[in-house]
Amino acid sequence: TQLLEQSPQFLSIQEGENLTVYCNSSSVFSSLQWYRQEPGEGPVLLVTVVTGGEVKKLKRLTFQFGDARKDSSLHITAAQPGDTGLYLCAGAPNYGQNFVFGPGTRLSVLP
Amino acid sequence: SQTIHQWPATLVQPVGSPLSLECTVEGTSNPNLYWYRQAAGRGLQLLFYSVGIGQISSEVPQNLSASRPQDRQFILSSKKLLLSDSGFYLCAWSVHQGLDEQYFGPGTRLTVT
Repeated sequence: TQLLEQSPQFLSIQEGENLTVYCNSSSVFSSLQWYRQEPGEGPVLLVTVVTGGEVKKLKRLTFQFGDARKDSSLHITAAQPGDTGLYLCAGAPNYGQNFVFGPGTRLSVLP
Repeated sequence: SQTIHQWPATLVQPVGSPLSLECTVEGTSNPNLYWYRQAAGRGLQLLFYSVGIGQISSEVPQNLSASRPQDRQFILSSKKLLLSDSGFYLCAWSVHQGLDEQYFGPGTRLTVT
């Protein structure tokens, strides 16, 4: 079973600060996704990365897939209260196989 | 556009009672369907997935079962609920496994008392 670890587990910061959260595994993934989930709702996809070393930007969010496709990071610039939520990473071992989810990082951005 | 529905939104059931949660998808054909359970504030555990009508794969042994009687309908059931079945249940669909975005429903909060 391929496991994903996420760190930190909890993060509380002030509005305007920058932050980075991590998703790590000892296994290789063919693709990796990041989702954000708000309380009482289902997760919503932010990005999918498939190439080692790939960097994708979504407004103030920057996602990077590790060269070896075993890890990923999410960097948020100038965090806003609207960024508050549970950030989940999910990796697919191979195309055609189901995604495995990490435990998540709970982010709280205080105004 | 595609939409996914789940009901009920919340449910409180006594130990030993049966369970039926329903999920339906609109606006797409032959989707891959998934049932996940999420412990409070934590990651998602895949319970079942289905690639077609009547085709169900179980990811973990448990007290639950799933059925897909129609192309866009996915049902999660139990004959006798346990306390450990409490959690947030999410249904999702995707076009393909392993690459595509999964679209999640609003979830059902189940409390077994």
